[in-house]
Amino acid sequence: EPEVTQTPSHQVTQMGQEVILRCVPISNHLYFYWYRQILGQKVEFLVSFYNNEISEKSEIFDDQFSVERPDGSNFTLKIRSTKLEDSAMYFCASSADRELGPGNQPQHFGDGTRLSIL
Amino acid sequence: AQSVTQLGSHVSVSEGALVLLRCNYSSSVPPYLFWYVQYPNQGLQLLLKYTSAATLVKGINGFEAEFKKSETSFHLTKPSAHMSDAAEYFCAVSPSYSSASKIIFGSGTRLSIRP
Repeated sequence: EPEVTQTPSHQVTQMGQEVILRCVPISNHLYFYWYRQILGQKVEFLVSFYNNEISEKSEIFDDQFSVERPDGSNFTLKIRSTKLEDSAMYFCASSADRELGPGNQPQHFGDGTRLSIL
Repeated sequence: AQSVTQLGSHVSVSEGALVLLRCNYSSSVPPYLFWYVQYPNQGLQLLLKYTSAATLVKGINGFEAEFKKSETSFHLTKPSAHMSDAAEYFCAVSPSYSSASKIIFGSGTRLSIRP
């Protein structure tokens, strides 16, 4: 079964540095998402992406964050000037198989990247 | 704004016993509702989803959930717990029928299974 893959599984970065989290969504999917889960807290929506532009973003997703689909397969989340509070598990998800057509389809999640800011 | 509330951050049952994880939703329109499971060090896996086709929804691994509009509930059940069911379970709601809609998660319930 196709799956969403995320790399790296664990990223350790010094505070103030930039980090790029990478995701390969399921091929044929049209919609892409980033969520984060701070340790011990609920999973929070960050941003959704469709047709090479942001569809929706949460108040968490400020100017420090950006997303990009640089080629036909990767979907990246860039965090600039990282802060201690950016430490979390970041999940990528994708949905809507092009062949199945529109309508609400479940989001498929990757295993996440654990980001640790020192 | 739509939201879900999960009652009980931790539930412990004996192997073979009934599993009941509670979820109540807040929505002004019929929502799309989901249950996701997260095993240790893994991502979120969809257990089942409600999309108004049927009030009783069957999912993977023997789980099912019943949508009760009068109670605004979407509780998750399994008749007989197995040790492999130990995980974190998240109830979630999607506030739109659009495929690009975000998912809003509950705070999660950790399920432990006693031998």
